[in-house]
Order: sequence, then C-alpha cells, then structure tokens
Amino acid sequence: GAVVSQHPSRVICKSGTSVKIECRSLDFQATTMFWYRQFPKQSLMLMATSNEGSKATYEQGVEKDKFLINHASLTLSTLTVTSAHPEDSSFYICSARWTSGLRSSYEQYFGPGTRLTVT
Amino acid sequence: GENVEQHPSTLSVQEGDSAVIKCTYSDSASNYFPWYKQELGKGPQLIIDIRSNVGEKKDQRIAVTLNKTAKHFSLHITETQPEDSAVYFCAASKAPGSWGKLQFGAGTQVVVTP
Repeated sequence: GAVVSQHPSRVICKSGTSVKIECRSLDFQATTMFWYRQFPKQSLMLMATSNEGSKATYEQGVEKDKFLINHASLTLSTLTVTSAHPEDSSFYICSARWTSGLRSSYEQYFGPGTRLTVT
Repeated sequence: GENVEQHPSTLSVQEGDSAVIKCTYSDSASNYFPWYKQELGKGPQLIIDIRSNVGEKKDQRIAVTLNKTAKHFSLHITETQPEDSAVYFCAASKAPGSWGKLQFGAGTQVVVTP
C-alpha cells in the first residue's frame, strides 16, 4: 500500500515552453501533497505544500507564478513549470500523506520522481 | 525554523559490518523522525521512522534511536549487504501539525563493499 506515482518519469522540453508533472496517490486519499526539487548530490528542497481544494503554500524563494500547483482531487496534484529555462532542469519529486476523515498520517510517501531537462 | 544536521556525508563499510548515521535537530517541538533510502534516479523510500514518545525502534536489520534531551537520533544498519548501498536521509517534522512538513538532513552516501 501507500504507492505514489509520477508522470512523466523523464521529460525534455525547449526553453520557453511549459511542462506539467502529475502526482497520484494510487491506493489512498491524500489531502496534502508536497513538491520537492533535488539537484545532483543534494538533499530534497521543499518547494510547496499542496492542499486539496485550496491554494498551494509556497516556500520562501519559490516563484508561485512559475511553478503552478493544482490539487484538484484527493488523489491528484499537478506541478506545471511555466516558461521553463535551463536552470529549471532538476529532479522533481512529490510526496503524499494519507488522509482518512480528519486524520492524516505522520508518514510521507514519495513518488519515483520526474527528471526535467530544459534545452 | 527546524534545522537538521546529518553526519557523516559518506560512509564506506565492509559487507557484514554495521553502519551508523547520526542526525541532530534544533526544534524541540519536532516529534516525528523518519529515515529515507534513496537509490540513484529514484524517489526516497521510507525505511523506518520513530515518534517522540519512544526511544528506540527496530525492524529486522535496521534500528533507529532517539534522544529527545540531546535532540539527536541515529540510524543503525547491521549485517550490511551490497544492496544497502544508497543515499540515506534523516528528517524531522512536527506531524501532524504544520501539514507535517519534513526538514531533511543533507544525506549520507553509504557504500557497502563486498
């Protein structure tokens, strides 16, 4: 149980275009999902917290107009990188906490990640 | 905010030996401490976690200890195997409050040599 999927696993796009990454909780509902960014040989950097049915909360320094997050259902959150540039190339990972009624898990389960390359 | 420090940054062990990774945290309100294993090109995998109401937890070859007074926690891997080679991250959070946001350590590259 507690499986999180991401799509696509890899994407290459041209500078100036937009890319959408999907994060799905496959066997549980998730009110809260998180989006992280990871550069090579570095730790995970939280970009934003996504709550179903409300606006995402972005960490300091993360441009909300560039990284659009939509959490439209209890099993799906999307991250859209708008007007991508080479410096946006990175490994993007989502995670989710399961929700049952008013309870949420302590545990966070991570997706497999999406490798974005902007040329 | 919370700050998590992790040591060592790299750890080489012989197969069969034990590996220990240590983390310290700064926020005494943190109450949940998970450990993740990340293989190259993959997302982190939760391997064990501990809450602040216990001091030790064990699952087969891995164990985690927590010292709330000193604000540090450690991961212990016994009888290491080559498949234990990966990057290990510790984290701390104030779950379920604050949406359970995790603050990660810098990671430890573990290499197990046959």
